[in-house]
Parts: sequence; structure tokens; C-alpha cells
Amino acid sequence: AIQLTQSPSSLSASVGDRVTITCRASQGISSALAWYQQKPGKAPKLLIYDASSLESGVPSRFSGSGSGTDFTLTISSLQPEDFATYYCQQFNNYPLTFGGGTKVEIK
Amino acid sequence: QVQLVESGGGVVQPGGSLRLSCAASGFTFSSYGMHWVRQAPGKGLEWVAFIRYDGSNKYYADSVKGRFTISRDNSKNTLYLQMNSLRAEDTAVYYCAKDPGQQWLVCNYWGQGTLVTVSS
Repeated sequence: AIQLTQSPSSLSASVGDRVTITCRASQGISSALAWYQQKPGKAPKLLIYDASSLESGVPSRFSGSGSGTDFTLTISSLQPEDFATYYCQQFNNYPLTFGGGTKVEIK
Repeated sequence: QVQLVESGGGVVQPGGSLRLSCAASGFTFSSYGMHWVRQAPGKGLEWVAFIRYDGSNKYYADSVKGRFTISRDNSKNTLYLQMNSLRAEDTAVYYCAKDPGQQWLVCNYWGQGTLVTVSS
């Protein structure tokens, strides 16, 4: 199975900060990567698919980039509602796999 | 609007069985692939299974292969997960999720989840 390694596992940031989360795949997955946001006690929400395509309704401060094995989720200006845990997911091969998550906390 | 409502969770003994259901509404259920994804308490997300829009193909995580069966009834707009030979490590919130297409393999809508606890 393809392993996805997210870094950092957690970070502290302030409102207005630029935040970058990385996801590294154990083998090449082309652009078959998605990003999700999950808040405590809630279901995940799709943010990005195909590595860089923004899901409908998701604010433009979220962006994704990368291909092959290295991917990035960027939040250009962190907002109070963005404090959450973020997961990457690959869909290039079965079994589908998720990264371990990155918790974004308030500094 | 899209709604996915899971049911059937509860407490079951190791080795036991449980069937989860997911009632779908707000979209043409028979046109979309569907997933089950789980999350153990305090842990990350784990994909469990996927079924194509017409039920013709099913895929499973290695951890559940041979024990869990995903199925669907398009006439009832309902997705199922039959779970047999349950283990303590199957304890999790189970989410059903909609695929954006027949087999895009991402999840663009999620239910609220149902908790399965495997314990003696």
C-alpha cells in the first residue's frame, strides 16, 4: 500500500499567517491526491482534489500543488475557522490511503 | 441538498457481526460510487471500502478484506457495510461518503458517522 507522510504533525499559527502542510507519498502517484479538513466531532470536508483543483465552495485562500511524490497544501492567510486537522489522501492505487494528519492550532 | 445518514452502529463482542446502513438523499444515488471510511477514537482516517455506482466492482482495505462486505440497493438509495468477525481494532466511527462520480475515488460528501465499539 502507498504510504503518505504528512509534516508537520501539528503546528501553531496566528490568524493571518501563511501556513504550508506537506504530504509525501512512498511512490509516485501522479496528481491523484486530495486534501480534507476535519474539525472536532465533525465529518471531514473535501478541500482539494487532483492535487490542485479547488472543490466548489472552498475559499480561494486554500491551494494545493505538487505531483509525483511531493505535495503541498497552503493556506494563504489563516482564518479563525481554519483551525482544524488536515489530511491528504491518495487515489492513484487501491487501497486508498490517508496521511496521518496535521493539526493546526492557535498560537 | 445531499444527505447521508448512517445507522446500525453499537456495541458488539469480538467475533460478532454488525450491519451498517447509509440512507442517501438529495442526489441520484444510482449514478455515484460510494465509500466507507472509519476513524478510531483519537486517530486518523482510514479508508475501508468502495463500491461502484452499479455495484459491479468493490474494493477493500487489506485490514477488512474477507471480513467486511460493501453493498448497495439502488432501489432503496441505501449503502451497506456488513461487518463479520469483528475485532477490537475495528472500533471506530464509520462514515459513508459519496464519490463525485462513478469512480473518482475521493469523497465529496460525508455522513455524520456511526460509532461501532467492539468490546467484551
